[in-house]
Amino acid sequence: DVKVTQSSRYLVKRTGEKVFLECVQDMDHENMFWYRQDPGLGLRLIYFSYDVKMKEKGDIPEGYSVSREKKERFSLILESASTNQTSMYLCASSFQTRVSGELFFGEGSRLTVL
Amino acid sequence: SQQGEEDPQALSIQEGENATMNCSYKTSINNLQWYRQNSGRGLVHLILIRSNEREKHSGRLRVTLDTSKKSSSLLITASRAADTASYFCAPLGSARQLTFGSGTQLTVLP
Repeated sequence: DVKVTQSSRYLVKRTGEKVFLECVQDMDHENMFWYRQDPGLGLRLIYFSYDVKMKEKGDIPEGYSVSREKKERFSLILESASTNQTSMYLCASSFQTRVSGELFFGEGSRLTVL
Repeated sequence: SQQGEEDPQALSIQEGENATMNCSYKTSINNLQWYRQNSGRGLVHLILIRSNEREKHSGRLRVTLDTSKKSSSLLITASRAADTASYFCAPLGSARQLTFGSGTQLTVLP
């Protein structure tokens, strides 16, 4: 069964802390994505990557960075967490060669910044 | 990247009834996808309809696409309490990344 695994389901951090959200997929997908989801705002794309060591900004990259050192792993980094980054974070992956763009999602990481 | 807008924002029906959700988008698409999200969980892909298709079925799901009106609808027939979830449409245009709206929150009452 295909799987996208996010390392933490729930995290509580303090303002100013550095936060790492990890995502691993076992489907050999080229594309990986990070979204955040907030009530009334839907899912918003933060960063995405089409290959190892490459990254592209999504719609709301400010305050975030990413790392993709291996094909199966895509990390989202909050250099200095702020309260407005309290949110549900969703990782997803897809095949690059398939035009469909069907996404496979992880279960989400709910981050609270105090 | 373009985003679909789902309508209504919330829908409440009785078990056994049909549920219809609509999606509108702005530019031309290659395909349009529907996803489901149970509360507090990740999204799950339900069905994909290509731009040259008008209707598609999968079990109790029926999706229609009208590219002239830039709209799609998702029909769930004979709803069950387990269908309670948020439903999102995602139009895929020239960009390779999908964007999502706020979804339709469906509640199926037993």
